[in-house]
Order: sequence, then C-alpha cells, then structure tokens
Amino acid sequence: EPEVTQTPSHQVTQMGQEVILRCVPISNHLYFYWYRQILGQKVEFLVSFYNNEISEKSEIFDDQFSVERPDGSNFTLKIRSTKLEDSAMYFCASRMDSSGANVLTFGAGSRLTVL
Amino acid sequence: AQTVTQSQPEMSVQEAETVTLSCTYDTSESNYYLFWYKQPPSRQMILVIRQEAYKQQNATENRFSVNFQKAAKSFSLKISDSQLGDTAMYFCAFTGANSKLTFGKGITLSVRP
Repeated sequence: EPEVTQTPSHQVTQMGQEVILRCVPISNHLYFYWYRQILGQKVEFLVSFYNNEISEKSEIFDDQFSVERPDGSNFTLKIRSTKLEDSAMYFCASRMDSSGANVLTFGAGSRLTVL
Repeated sequence: AQTVTQSQPEMSVQEAETVTLSCTYDTSESNYYLFWYKQPPSRQMILVIRQEAYKQQNATENRFSVNFQKAAKSFSLKISDSQLGDTAMYFCAFTGANSKLTFGKGITLSVRP
C-alpha cells in the first residue's frame, strides 16, 4: 500500500538553529499538508499546499516557517530559527484531491526536540 | 469555524468488552466528513473509520462502528470485543469544504487484560 514517508524520524537541535523536515507524499496525490502535535496535546493544522503554493495556513505558521516542493517529489517544512516551543511531532499528509471523501494519508511523523 | 470536542480525556475497558468514545462537533456546513483516527504509542496516525455527513447509515469497519447523530452533531465511536492492541489515543476529526482536518483533543483508551 502506498505510504507517505517522512525523514528524519527524530531530530534534536539547538535553539536558534534551522531545521528542515522532509516528506515524500504518495506519488499521485496533489494536496499536501503539515500538522503539528505537541506532546500530550491535539494535532494542529499548520499549512496546506497545492499547485506549488500555499492554499491555507494557520496562525501557528508564522514567518519562521516555510514549505516548498523543490523537485516535484519531496515536500519540505523549514523552521528558520527554532524555539523551545517548536518541540513537537510534525506530521506530513497527502490526499489525491480536495474532496473530503478522499482520505488524508499521514506519514509516521518527525519528532523534533529543541534544546 | 469548525470545532471538535472530545470531553473525556481517558477511558479504560476490559478486554473483550465494548466501549464507546464520545465526540461532538460544530459547523455551519451541510456537506462534511467525520473521522476517527487511532494513534498508538508509535504516534503514527491511523484512520479507523470515516462517515460522510450526507449518508444516514452509520459507518462500520469490523469491530468499529459509529453512532452519527447529525441533528445533535454527535459522532461517537463504538469498539466491540476490545483487544489489547486497541490501546491508543483516539482522535475525532472533521473536514468540510476547505479540506483541512480539524482534530479534537483526543482520548486515551486503555484496554485491560
């Protein structure tokens, strides 16, 4: 069964450092998402991406965050200068189209620890 | 804006018994979808079941079924014949026209041997 692949599975970084989280969505999917889950809390929407541009972003997704799909395969989330509160699990997800009937497929997540 | 509420933070059930997890939501949209996701200790998000709002029939997937009450905006998950592997966090989620998922806070389910 097709999977969404995320790397790294766990990254530890120092506060103020840049971090790039990578995702390879399912190949025929067109809509891509990043979600965040702080430990013990609910899963929060960060950003959605379609046709090489952001289609929606949440209040969490400030200027420190950016996304891109540089090569038509990878979908990356960059955090420019990490803060302690960025420590969380980051989930990438993709779907074929924007219809709610089309289920989001999640990756296994990337755990980010900021020290 | 849509909201999803899971008011029970945790529940416990004996193996082989039945448990029901509650979820309510609020939306002004008429066409939407509701989901239950399971998050085991590995923290991967696994789809358990999906309900389309325009369908009156409650969705069923093996031991998992939902009680969808559209007028009351309620969407509960029933797990029958609970198994140890059902121990996980369960999230109720909503998606409408804008296609993003809105999650509830989740409920921790423990299945006792």
